[in-house]
Amino acid sequence: SQTIHQWPATLVQPVGSPLSLECTVEGTSNPNLYWYRQAAGRGLQLLFYSVGIGQISSEVPQNLSASRPQDRQFILSSKKLLLSDSGFYLCAWRYRGSYEQYFGPGTRLTVT
Amino acid sequence: ELKVEQNPLFLSMQEGKNYTIYCNYSTTSDRLYWYRQDPGKSLESLFVLLSNGAVKQEGRLMASLDTKARLSTLHITAAVHDLSATYFCAVLYNFNKFYFGSGTKLNVKP
Repeated sequence: SQTIHQWPATLVQPVGSPLSLECTVEGTSNPNLYWYRQAAGRGLQLLFYSVGIGQISSEVPQNLSASRPQDRQFILSSKKLLLSDSGFYLCAWRYRGSYEQYFGPGTRLTVT
Repeated sequence: ELKVEQNPLFLSMQEGKNYTIYCNYSTTSDRLYWYRQDPGKSLESLFVLLSNGAVKQEGRLMASLDTKARLSTLHITAAVHDLSATYFCAVLYNFNKFYFGSGTKLNVKP
């Protein structure tokens, strides 16, 4: 069966510090991968998606970036965090050609 | 940019009552999704609606899709406390872009 992991589960970082969040999927190959952010009390905002290694599409211009160094690994990064980067970050995956999307457990980021 | 609007944003209801959550979207979409989120948790998939007129039911929840009206509904029948959660609709655009509504926070009072 397929599982999706995210770490860390929670993170408190000062403004201006770097960020690296990791997402990995097990039990499947060549998935589509997604990063979302959920601000407190809000809906999800699509940040990045990837259809293959090294292929990243950015949906929202900001100080975040994403990389996909391996087939089942998706990384969200920032060189300098802003207060507005606080939120719940969710990774999701989808079978190529399928419509169903599966979410990871999320990382709660607080920028102080 | 595709817009997805849900209403109501907050819903407080008594156990045993029926209610409907509405999801409107602004442009032609590939597919429509409903998710449930419990406080502090990730999203759980409830329904994927694939075509006009699609209706899916699971327990006390039933979702439908009218692509001509760009409207989906999530109907709750005889609500119970365990259904208290936030419900999101989302649309899939250009096969890879998911756009979410703001969510409907449902509180079912015993």
